[in-house]
Amino acid sequence: GQNIDQPTEMTATEGAIVQINCTYQTSGFNGLFWYQQHAGEAPTFLSYNVLDGLEEKGRFSSFLSRSKGYSYLLLKELQMKDSASYLCASGANSGYALNFGKGTSLLVTP
Amino acid sequence: DSGVTQTPKHLITATGQRVTLRCSPRSGDLSVYWYQQSLDQGLQFLIQYYNGEERAKGNILERFSAQQFPDLHSELNLSSLELGDSALYFCASTNRANTEAFFGQGTRLTVV
Repeated sequence: GQNIDQPTEMTATEGAIVQINCTYQTSGFNGLFWYQQHAGEAPTFLSYNVLDGLEEKGRFSSFLSRSKGYSYLLLKELQMKDSASYLCASGANSGYALNFGKGTSLLVTP
Repeated sequence: DSGVTQTPKHLITATGQRVTLRCSPRSGDLSVYWYQQSLDQGLQFLIQYYNGEERAKGNILERFSAQQFPDLHSELNLSSLELGDSALYFCASTNRANTEAFFGQGTRLTVV
C-alpha cells in the first residue's frame, strides 16, 4: 500500500478559505481522491485527480502534482456545515481499492 | 443516497460470536469493496469482489471472510469476534471507470 499523510486537525473561520494538504507515495499511483465524512456517516465523494493540475468544482477545488506525490483540497467560502473529516485516498491498490489517510478533522468556527 | 445499501445499521454482539453483514451495490456496479473504520485506524480496505470473484485483498483477518453472490450482493462474515473488532464497516461500489466510489451508510458493530 501507500502511506498517505495529512494533518490531523485544522480550524478555520466561516467565510474563509482553507487548504488541506496530502502527501502520498507515488509507486503504482492510480488516481487521488478526496472524500468528506461527517461523524458516524458514510464518506461522500468530493473529487478525483489523475492528471497534474487543479480541478475546480464549486466551492471545492483539488490539486495534484504526481511528481511530488502531493495533493491539496481547497475549500472556499467556508460554511459551518463544512465541519467534517476530509479523507485523502490513493487508488493504487490492485482492483482500484482505495488506500485512505487517517483524515483531517476540520472545524469551522463562527 | 449513494445507492449502496447495507444492513443492519447497528449490531451488538458478544465476544466469540459470529455475525454477517450484508451489502447491495448500486444498480449496474459489479465491484464491491469492504472497508473497516475504527477510531484509531481510519478507513482500512479489507477485500474486493468483482462479478462474483475475489479481486483484491487488503488487511483482512483470517477470522473474516466474504463472498459475492450471483445477484451481486455481498456478505462479510466476521467470526470469533473480539472487542477490537468493534468498528464501522462500510461497503462501497465503483463506477465502471473506477473514478468514484459510492459508500453505503455502514454497519456499526459493537462487540461486548
